Amino acid sequence: NAGVTQTPKFRILKIGQSMTLQCTQDMNHNYMYWYRQDPGMGLKLIYYSVGAGITDKGEVPNGYNVSRSTTEDFPLRLELAAPSQTSVYFCASSPWKDTQYFGPGTRLTVL
Amino acid sequence: DQQVKQNSPSLSVQEGRISILNCDYTNSMFDYFLWYKKYPAEGPTFLISISSIKDKNEDGRFTVFLNKSAKHLSLHIVPSQPGDSAVYFCAASSRQGGSEKLVFGKGTKLTVNP
Repeated sequence: NAGVTQTPKFRILKIGQSMTLQCTQDMNHNYMYWYRQDPGMGLKLIYYSVGAGITDKGEVPNGYNVSRSTTEDFPLRLELAAPSQTSVYFCASSPWKDTQYFGPGTRLTVL
Repeated sequence: DQQVKQNSPSLSVQEGRISILNCDYTNSMFDYFLWYKKYPAEGPTFLISISSIKDKNEDGRFTVFLNKSAKHLSLHIVPSQPGDSAVYFCAASSRQGGSEKLVFGKGTKLTVNP
């Protein structure tokens, strides 16, 4: 029972590089979310999706892009990495508009 | 403007005693509240929730109390155990408002001393 999986666990990027953070869930949840957590701060919503083919911006979407071609996958794309994007990224899924289930996170450092 | 506030960054209690974590919110449209627990290097895990139609919800050692008039909720852990040491996040949503999103507080780090 994998739940929500995220890859990679850790990554170091140079300024200006791009990468994709992968998120997969096996619970057939319609709703998926991407958050970032900075030290001493709560979780801030980057993007979310209410179903395949439907995405919307959250609180802090600048510098990121998402796609949702399948129910299972919700990748987060960073096109031009900046030091301000150094953070821990969490993906979550939910069967409806309530309890969200989180992945283990990806720790990203941009130097 | 923080809609969900956890004003205590940290809390330390002795094993066996009660832990009380507090959360305040400002948005009167919030009608569903959750608590998540987070260990280092792991994702948050759901702990307990409460709907605004209730004022208390209990699950084993964990009880959440909701005071709608004060826009305040609290999580009680009795008795506290060293394994409860973690960061606890309060979150809120507006189900009636049709929101798919949760708004999180900044978290309170709980340390339970043996």
